[in-house]
Amino acid sequence: GAVVSQHPSWVICKSGTSVKIECRSLDFQATTMFWYRQFPKQSLMLMATSNEGSKATYEQGVEKDKFLINHASLTLSTLTVTSAHPEDSSFYICSARGPGQGLNEQFFGPGTRLTVL
Amino acid sequence: QKEVEQDPGPLSVPEGAIVSLNCTYSNSAFQYFMWYRQYSRKGPELLMYTYSSGNKEDGRFTAQVDKSSKYISLFIRDSQPSDSATYLCAMRDSNYQLIWGAGTKLIIKP
Repeated sequence: GAVVSQHPSWVICKSGTSVKIECRSLDFQATTMFWYRQFPKQSLMLMATSNEGSKATYEQGVEKDKFLINHASLTLSTLTVTSAHPEDSSFYICSARGPGQGLNEQFFGPGTRLTVL
Repeated sequence: QKEVEQDPGPLSVPEGAIVSLNCTYSNSAFQYFMWYRQYSRKGPELLMYTYSSGNKEDGRFTAQVDKSSKYISLFIRDSQPSDSATYLCAMRDSNYQLIWGAGTKLIIKP
């Protein structure tokens, strides 16, 4: 089956620093990748959608200058949280979809838990 | 009012019981209805999806959609401790926007 990995699985950083999270599709080409944020006991909140080679589309209320998304290749997308603050602490999950996969098919990564001190 | 309502639980049942998980929604434009399972500190995995009203069965899992009542259900038969997870419903409208429920935490007691 389609496998999506994320790295790192968890990260702790100091307030004001930047953190980069990688999302990779291991056995398929991901033409579209999605980035979600999930707070404890809450649903997934879509942050942005990125198509390979083009700029990401951000959801309303998500600061594009704070959450930088790069989808430079068909197997890799990165999310950089710039100048992280404690309120950015959350579980960040990516998902990916490839050509030929239905719109209802998104394969999720295992998530990255970010803790900002 | 949220577009998708889902009781967060936790729902605790003994092993072997039939489990019923539910979501209600308010947007009649939703066309595709999905159930995901999420283990602790893991990403969600798609269990089933259905289009429009009706039932869909896959092994021990049955998804049911009642569009007239704006109500969807996931039934798990012969529940196992390994079924313990958070179950999220998600729905898609004609603009392909995916809206998620908050998830129900399910605990199957051996």
